[in-house]
Amino acid sequence: AQSVTQPDIHITVSEGASLELRCNYSYGATPYLFWYVQSPGQGLQLLLKYFSGDTLVQGIKGFEAEFKRSQSSFNLRKPSVHWSDAAEYFCAVAPEGYNKLIFGAGTRLAVHP
Amino acid sequence: KAGVTQTPRYLIKTRGQQVTLSCSPISGHRSVSWYQQTPGQGLQFLFEYFSETQRNKGNFPGRFSGRQFSNSRSEMNVSTLELGDSALYLCASSAGGRVTEAFFGQGTRLTVV
Repeated sequence: AQSVTQPDIHITVSEGASLELRCNYSYGATPYLFWYVQSPGQGLQLLLKYFSGDTLVQGIKGFEAEFKRSQSSFNLRKPSVHWSDAAEYFCAVAPEGYNKLIFGAGTRLAVHP
Repeated sequence: KAGVTQTPRYLIKTRGQQVTLSCSPISGHRSVSWYQQTPGQGLQFLFEYFSETQRNKGNFPGRFSGRQFSNSRSEMNVSTLELGDSALYLCASSAGGRVTEAFFGQGTRLTVV
């Protein structure tokens, strides 16, 4: 069965520091991968997606993610974190041919001034 | 372009009652998916509707049902509410291809007492 693992439940970084959120997936074929962000009490906002092609994808708000098939990973990065980035981040995979998302448990990001 | 609209935003129901939630997708989108978000189980896929037909289904009991209208608006119904049904219910809208990016509404917060 397909699954997504986000090993870090909570991460705290200082404003201006770099950020990397980890995501590992379990899926046999080529995965469709996504990162979403959720602020408290809100819905999910799509940060970026990987369907095929270049394994380094750029997203909104200065985020990027790199797809590494050999490691079954799709880690999210940002070179310099802003206080407004504090939120919960979800990695998700869509099995090929199915318009449904399987989410990881999420990583809650706190940003210290 | 208007986003995904979910109504109502908040609901309080009594155990044993039934509830109907509504979702209006982005104009032109033909696929609507529903997700349940709880602290214990995280984000879980309920079902997807495309062109008024249920195309994918998650692992939820039959008390959870949905439908889609010809204008792509969707409703989700939960009958015989249980305390464990308390959750944030999120609707996602997508263009309708096999796998496409999903745009989420702000959700309906259902509390069962």
